[in-house]
Amino acid sequence: QKEVEQDPGPLSVPEGAIVSLNCTYSNSAFQYFMWYRQYSRKGPELLMYTYSSGNKEDGRFTAQVDKSSKYISLFIRDSQPSDSATYLCAMSYNTDKLIFGTGTRLQVFP
Amino acid sequence: EAGVAQSPRYKIIEKRQSVAFWCNPISGHATLYWYQQILGQGPKLLIQFQNNGVVDDSQLPKDRFSAERLKGVDSTLKIQPAKLEDSAVYLCASSLDRGRNTGELFFGEGSRLTVL
Repeated sequence: QKEVEQDPGPLSVPEGAIVSLNCTYSNSAFQYFMWYRQYSRKGPELLMYTYSSGNKEDGRFTAQVDKSSKYISLFIRDSQPSDSATYLCAMSYNTDKLIFGTGTRLQVFP
Repeated sequence: EAGVAQSPRYKIIEKRQSVAFWCNPISGHATLYWYQQILGQGPKLLIQFQNNGVVDDSQLPKDRFSAERLKGVDSTLKIQPAKLEDSAVYLCASSLDRGRNTGELFFGEGSRLTVL
């Protein structure tokens, strides 16, 4: 069993839709949870960061962490074609060593 | 602020040949990472430097991969000899202070290696 599981997609949605991206994990020691966005042929860039459980909102993006279920989510409201990218979840213990999911490829069509 | 610079962007070699990738991190960033990203997978940490010392190289295949960070700034990752399964994008990243409490690593655009 992988430490971090993520559906690879692709996920195709119309512009304006609400997108839900998810990851599950097996190690309850993870404390730091992140979402990175990776455009084609580019490096990943940090989108959202959450410590422990709870929600965090930043503009159209909301990150949720449910440690009891070992489940994290990223919601994108009013999705735009510019949101088309691969979304990688990442998590760590109490250091900076990140464990990445496989990434979900999202396509938002006009 | 200049980002993480990597070169070359693309490299095609035959198996058993050698290759080297170069990375220049963001100025002032003490921590430097090399990740391997195989097509369809998430990045996997190969080696982590704090200044010019190695923090973690537990997933580096040391029989063929080597990396150094002289003077605590630029870094080079070498593969010798290359295998077909080394075909991947090699991502360099840096962080201010091991990304502590922020999870923020700054990635370069990567060096795409194809081994034939």
